[in-house]
Amino acid sequence: KNQVEQSPQSLIILEGKNCTLQCNYTVSPFSNLRWYKQDTGRGPVSLTIMTFSENTKSNGRYTATLDADTKQSSLHITASQLSDSASYICVVSGYGGSQGNLIFGKGTKLSVKP
Amino acid sequence: NAGVTQTPKFQVLKTGQSMTLQCAQDMNHEYMSWYRQDPGMGLRLIHYSVGAGITDQGEVPNGYNVSRSTTEDFPLRLLSAAPSQTSVYFCASSYFASGRAYEQYFGPGTRLTVT
Repeated sequence: KNQVEQSPQSLIILEGKNCTLQCNYTVSPFSNLRWYKQDTGRGPVSLTIMTFSENTKSNGRYTATLDADTKQSSLHITASQLSDSASYICVVSGYGGSQGNLIFGKGTKLSVKP
Repeated sequence: NAGVTQTPKFQVLKTGQSMTLQCAQDMNHEYMSWYRQDPGMGLRLIHYSVGAGITDQGEVPNGYNVSRSTTEDFPLRLLSAAPSQTSVYFCASSYFASGRAYEQYFGPGTRLTVT
């Protein structure tokens, strides 16, 4: 069964610290992997999209890595800010990359404290 | 550009009532989708459309209908609301680019409560 597992479920860090969120998937065949940020009460917003040939992609203080061989991805947040408090969702796209083949993880809830 | 807009933001229905959740996008995207988000679960696909006049079912389509008469609009209809349909509903849109990853844009959501 195609699945996307994220860890940890929740995380609390102090402002200014770094953190890494994990995503493991069993989706096959694989088209692309994306990370979304979802603020409380709002819709998800895309951070990065990676195909199988890309192993790292950055968006400001966010850096995503992908290991297609081990089917693992991570999202690293550098020098965290209070505004980074949100849920981070890993999404894997299966064959053809169509809208019908997106598998969503349950998300990691990050709280950044002053 | 307004992006993806959804109305209403909040709605309370009684069991058995019907209603339509509205979704519109002004980016000329071919793909549009409806998801529901429940506590402790990932977003689940209800229905999606690859263009005007074309729709298909997602993971949890029962109890919902859709139509796509224009590129811009993709309404979701609840036929006879049930308490199990209490959820937050998100509409999303994206370009279709064969062989290329595409960015998906989400609306702000509609919080629906069925009593």
